[in-house]
Amino acid sequence: KAGVTQTPRYLIKTRGQQVTLSCSPISGHRSVSWYQQTPGQGLQFLFEYFSETQRNKGNFPGRFSGRQFSNSRSEMNVSTLELGDSALYLCASSLPDGFDGYTFGSGTRLTVV
Amino acid sequence: QKEVEQNSGPLSVPEGAIASLNCTYSDRGSQSFFWYRQYSGKSPELIMFIYSNGDKEDGRFTAQLNKASQYVSLLIRDSQPSDSATYLCASGDSNYQLIWGAGTKLIIKP
Repeated sequence: KAGVTQTPRYLIKTRGQQVTLSCSPISGHRSVSWYQQTPGQGLQFLFEYFSETQRNKGNFPGRFSGRQFSNSRSEMNVSTLELGDSALYLCASSLPDGFDGYTFGSGTRLTVV
Repeated sequence: QKEVEQNSGPLSVPEGAIASLNCTYSDRGSQSFFWYRQYSGKSPELIMFIYSNGDKEDGRFTAQLNKASQYVSLLIRDSQPSDSATYLCASGDSNYQLIWGAGTKLIIKP
């Protein structure tokens, strides 16, 4: 079956701009989580959506937001980009209880200049 | 603050030996535990999950869980150079949220 698809793979944005990243989960997976990964900070949890509702949220500023559509696809948006937002953004999908594990997409590499 | 702790390494193991990776977690309410492997520049890949105390084996990999000691480990038998990667441990709580360790870098020396 198809895996988790993230688009785009690479992005270069200027400070102050906004960006929208997309994630299509594995068919049947209704939970989608988003992570930021940087070399010094490891995997940092942004938020998780299930059935179009945010179920969990990490400790990121309000510039980071997300949503989930009725087909379980999810988007995350970062407004007013800062240099420190440069990172690999990963999305992971799972069954609602997550007990079978979370499958990650290939990620979106965001560079803010 | 829920935490998962791992030794950052690097852990260097000779080819063919057993690699032992360890992880401790702080939340006694954690219900599920996961081991992921991440190659440099790639996304994490699920190796194993475990929910019950004891051992769970899958090929060359064995996950061990001890809830009383809040300890999870991953053993890799007959280590291969291709096993060289960062191994991430995560615990899942009752709210379906994963708490991640920072990862252990494993190097298998030929």
